[in-house]
Amino acid sequence: GQQLNQSPQSMFIQEGEDVSMNCTSSSIFNTWLWYKQDPGEGPVLLIALYKAGELTSNGRLTAQFGITRKDSFLNISASIPSDVGIYFCAARAREYGNKLVFGAGTILRVKS
Amino acid sequence: EPEVTQTPSHQVTQMGQEVILRCVPISNHLYFYWYRQILGQKVEFLVSFYNNEISEKSEIFDDQFSVERPDGSNFTLKIRSTKLEDSAMYFCASSEARASGTDTQYFGPGTRLTVL
Repeated sequence: GQQLNQSPQSMFIQEGEDVSMNCTSSSIFNTWLWYKQDPGEGPVLLIALYKAGELTSNGRLTAQFGITRKDSFLNISASIPSDVGIYFCAARAREYGNKLVFGAGTILRVKS
Repeated sequence: EPEVTQTPSHQVTQMGQEVILRCVPISNHLYFYWYRQILGQKVEFLVSFYNNEISEKSEIFDDQFSVERPDGSNFTLKIRSTKLEDSAMYFCASSEARASGTDTQYFGPGTRLTVL
């Protein structure tokens, strides 16, 4: 079945540092999404990517849809304490309908 | 900004009891979804619903589960006879259903279901 391998599993970084996380798969996808989840809450959309090679920014966040359509990365520049949370990649393959497949998440902790 | 809402935020039930989880999707959205997240694990797809019928479902979504859109605004998930392993966060999501396929799913805050 479709699976997303997300890494790293967790990160503990100093405030101000840049962060990078990625998701890979053996399957091809048409859409890659990055969500952030705070404890006890639902995933909040950060960035949506719809075309292979697409590079999109949202403030300090930048994400790319891999050219092979099998991977995506998310970068956070100049991290701040409120960046703390769990970041999930999610992807959709049109031939499998509209359902999203999620990665296992990256737990981000920031030392101030 | 429009958002997906869910009630209740927390539901505690005894094993074998029926529960109904409620969602109000974003008003102009046409696709509705339920996902679940067992504590500490990834979010898993349960079911999607479009044009008043189930469009796809996962292996998790067995005969114990059902979904309904009883009126123009609510979307519900019913679990007929809850099991201990049904304890999880249940998230509702909705999307616009654009023909271009670029629609994005927006998630509600979730209902934490605890089965005792």
